[in-house]
Amino acid sequence: GENVEQHPSTLSVQEGDSAVIKCTYSDSASNYFPWYKQELGKRPQLIIDIRSNVGEKKDQRIAVTLNKTAKHFSLHITETQPEDSAVYFCAASISGGSQGNLIFGKGTKLSVKP
Amino acid sequence: KAGVTQTPRYLIKTRGQQVTLSCSPISGHRSVSWYQQTPGQGLQFLFEYFSETQRNKGNFPGRFSGRQFSNSRSEMNVSTLELGDSALYLCASSWGSVAGWSGYTFGSGTRLTVV
Repeated sequence: GENVEQHPSTLSVQEGDSAVIKCTYSDSASNYFPWYKQELGKRPQLIIDIRSNVGEKKDQRIAVTLNKTAKHFSLHITETQPEDSAVYFCAASISGGSQGNLIFGKGTKLSVKP
Repeated sequence: KAGVTQTPRYLIKTRGQQVTLSCSPISGHRSVSWYQQTPGQGLQFLFEYFSETQRNKGNFPGRFSGRQFSNSRSEMNVSTLELGDSALYLCASSWGSVAGWSGYTFGSGTRLTVV
C-alpha cells in the first residue's frame, strides 16, 4: 500500500522567513496530494491540494510543487507569520481525491518566532 | 450548515473493554472516513464507509470495525481494548466523484484513554 514520508518533523523559522516541508510517496499511482493544517487542540483543515496533472499550485503565501518522476511534493510558505504555527500534514491518494482514503505523513510542527 | 459531529468527546475505558464511537457527517456527505491520531504516528487511516459499505480499509487489526447507517451516520467499534489504543479518533466526511471532491471536513474527535 501507499506510504508517505514527511520531513522535517519539526521546523522553526523567524517571522517573515520562508518554510519548506517535503513529502515523498511510494505508490506511483497516487494522483491527489492535499496538505492539512492542524492548530493546537483543533481539527485538521485543508489548506491546499494538487493533482498529478499539475506541477505547481499557489494560493497567496502558500504553494505546493509536485515532482511525479521523483515521487515527491513540497509545501512552501512565504513571509511566515506567527499564526502559521501549527502541525502540517501532507497526504496522498490513488483515488484522485474522489474517495476518502488519504494516507497521511506523520506531520511537521512549524514554529514561527516573532 | 452543521459540521461533522463526533460523540462522545472524551472516553475513559479499562483494558479489555469495548467502545463505540459515533460520527454524524455534514448533510449530503455520503463518505465517512476514520483516522487514529497519536503523537508518534500521526494520522493513520482506519477505514472509509460510503453508502453503508466499507469502501477502503487501512492496516488495523480486526478489533477495529465500523458501520454506516442509511442516513450516513457512522460508528466505529474497538473490542478488547489495549493500552496502545489510547488516541484521538477523528472522523472526516466528504462528498465526491471522479469529477471532483469536496475534501475532508474533520470532526473534533473523540479522545479515548485506555487505563
